[in-house]
Amino acid sequence: EVQLVQSGAELKKPGESLKISCRGSGYSFSNYWIGWVRQMPGKGLELVGIIYPGDSDTKSSPSFQGQVTISADKSISTAYLQWSSLKASDTAMYYCGRLTPPPYYFDYWGQGTLVTVSS
Amino acid sequence: EIVMTQSPATLTVSPGQRATLSCGASLNIGRHLAWYQQKPGQAPRLLIYGASTRATGIPARFSGSGSGTEFTLTISSLQSEDFAVYYCQQYNNWPGLTFGGGTKVEIK
Repeated sequence: EVQLVQSGAELKKPGESLKISCRGSGYSFSNYWIGWVRQMPGKGLELVGIIYPGDSDTKSSPSFQGQVTISADKSISTAYLQWSSLKASDTAMYYCGRLTPPPYYFDYWGQGTLVTVSS
Repeated sequence: EIVMTQSPATLTVSPGQRATLSCGASLNIGRHLAWYQQKPGQAPRLLIYGASTRATGIPARFSGSGSGTEFTLTISSLQSEDFAVYYCQQYNNWPGLTFGGGTKVEIK
């Protein structure tokens, strides 16, 4: 059974750093793109960026370039989303999802990680 | 970036009635469109891909149609568990995957 399990909710202060994770199981983690999707409170879905764990090829959406870092460790089937200096506007639910081989839609999703940034 | 526009923002429907949701693309995306359902407190779930192919386990009351720039998701007879938010997503412009703003289907 394909599963994506994300790390738990986080409460952080502005300016702090954070790394959240998404561990895949039940499939060959290296061979599928993983995407990170942001959902701000009461809002829709936005693609943050994607990574191919096999070679760590990464692509960020223009709105998020330079704001976050996406990485992966294929040896432990885990992808990461990282901030070096959080802002209140980063408060959101973050989902990881597995992308199908081309043509690339999300067929499995993690349960989400709630990130709250507040002083 | 391909902009996806969904309408209406909110659809109020009685159980057992038909619901028709629309999704428009700013450029021709062929049939590279997926639909997702999201219930409160849950992750999205894939319903439809390729504009009209139901994902595994999705009931036949869900159907998708369209191509190019105009797409429709139809729920033929709404069940209580179908009240949720529905998103479309284009995947024609890799890696610039984009979602619509969502349509909330609520109980009348």
